[in-house]
Amino acid sequence: DTAVSQTPKYLVTQMGNDKSIKCEQNLGHDTMYWYKQDSKKFLKIMFSYNNKELIINETVPNRFSPKSPDKAHLNLHINSLELGDSAVYFCASSHTSGGGGNEQFFGPGTRLTVL
Amino acid sequence: QKEVEQNSGPLSVPEGAIASLNCTYSDRGSQSFFWYRQYSGKSPELIMSIYSNGDKEDGRFTAQLNKASQYVSLLIRDSQPSDSATYLCAGRSRRGSYIPTFGRGTSLIVHP
Repeated sequence: DTAVSQTPKYLVTQMGNDKSIKCEQNLGHDTMYWYKQDSKKFLKIMFSYNNKELIINETVPNRFSPKSPDKAHLNLHINSLELGDSAVYFCASSHTSGGGGNEQFFGPGTRLTVL
Repeated sequence: QKEVEQNSGPLSVPEGAIASLNCTYSDRGSQSFFWYRQYSGKSPELIMSIYSNGDKEDGRFTAQLNKASQYVSLLIRDSQPSDSATYLCAGRSRRGSYIPTFGRGTSLIVHP
């Protein structure tokens, strides 16, 4: 009965590889997010989707490509991984992207290590 | 640049004391504010949300919002060692697509 789930939990890979992280939520939310948390614990938004439509695309290298097959799923594909991509990636979801009541619920995170 | 600022700490308080965590924000258009608790190696967990000026209480937690001063705080009464964590303040503005902005978090240590 996990609310927001992510796979994998840990990802260790070599520079230059391509990898994907998957996220699913069963809360009935219509907005999903990807955040990156670096070693200094700063949580920075990368992307947001509302009902499968991209609504937030912060300054992120185009090596990162999100994809939302339906409003319960948001995946993140990363091409040509670099050392600086090492971080914890959190998926989150919430109800509508506007107004109040937009409390976000986070997944357990995916710790990505690029060697 | 719209920012949410927090003192990184650590804030150290004795067990049973009141812990006061503070947050300021620069975007006057911010409407909604959230406090999250994050234990080491875990994901952020929502504690409180506040939208109106004044205080909002939930158990041992009280969130305070002062929009004129652009200031949000979280008070934890009767602090317990299990409250030791990083507390993240987040604000959501009405700018464009309601982008949520997180502060860098304050580390709280409650010692027995």
